[in-house]
Amino acid sequence: EAEVAQSPRYKITEKSQAVAFWCDPISGHATLYWYRQILGQGPELLVQFQDESVVDDSQLPKDRFSAERLKGVDSTLKIQPAELGDSAMYLCASSWRGRNIDTQYFGPGTRLTVL
Amino acid sequence: QKEVEQDPGPLSVPEGAIVSLNCTYSNSAFQYFMWYRQYSRKGPELLMYTYSSGNKEDGRFTAQVDKSSKYISLFIRDSQPSDSATYLCAMNPGTYKYIFGTGTRLKVLA
Repeated sequence: EAEVAQSPRYKITEKSQAVAFWCDPISGHATLYWYRQILGQGPELLVQFQDESVVDDSQLPKDRFSAERLKGVDSTLKIQPAELGDSAMYLCASSWRGRNIDTQYFGPGTRLTVL
Repeated sequence: QKEVEQDPGPLSVPEGAIVSLNCTYSNSAFQYFMWYRQYSRKGPELLMYTYSSGNKEDGRFTAQVDKSSKYISLFIRDSQPSDSATYLCAMNPGTYKYIFGTGTRLKVLA
């Protein structure tokens, strides 16, 4: 069964350092989402791509976070510089076309700890 | 007030019990309702997906939507220790944007 791949699974970094996360969506899925999930809370959308274009990045802290999906396939989320409050699980999800009826499939996530 | 409210639990039940998990919401525009299961340190996986008011059954799982009360439920029959996880409700108003609840931690005791 096709899955969303993410790496690394775990990342520990010191504050002010740069970190990057990678996501490879299910083959053929045009829509890719990055979520942040703080412990004990539900996922919150950071950014959504349709192919290589950003559809929604209204909740992305753009002073330190950036995301790209250059060829409309895999994607990278970067944080620079990392802050203590960025410690969370970063989840990538994909769906076929991003329509309201299209199911979002999640990857295993990257757990970030900022010291 | 959050758009989606969900009791965080934890909820502990004996093996074989019927489990009821619930979410309430405030936005009457929500049309699509999902339940995800998330094991510790893993990503959420879709369990159930419903569009309209009423019940939808899949094996031991039943999803129920009451739009008039803005209330959704997930029932798990004959619960098993392997059902121990966090259950997240999610909903959207007919756009791409899912709004998630905080999740309810369930523990099924053998």
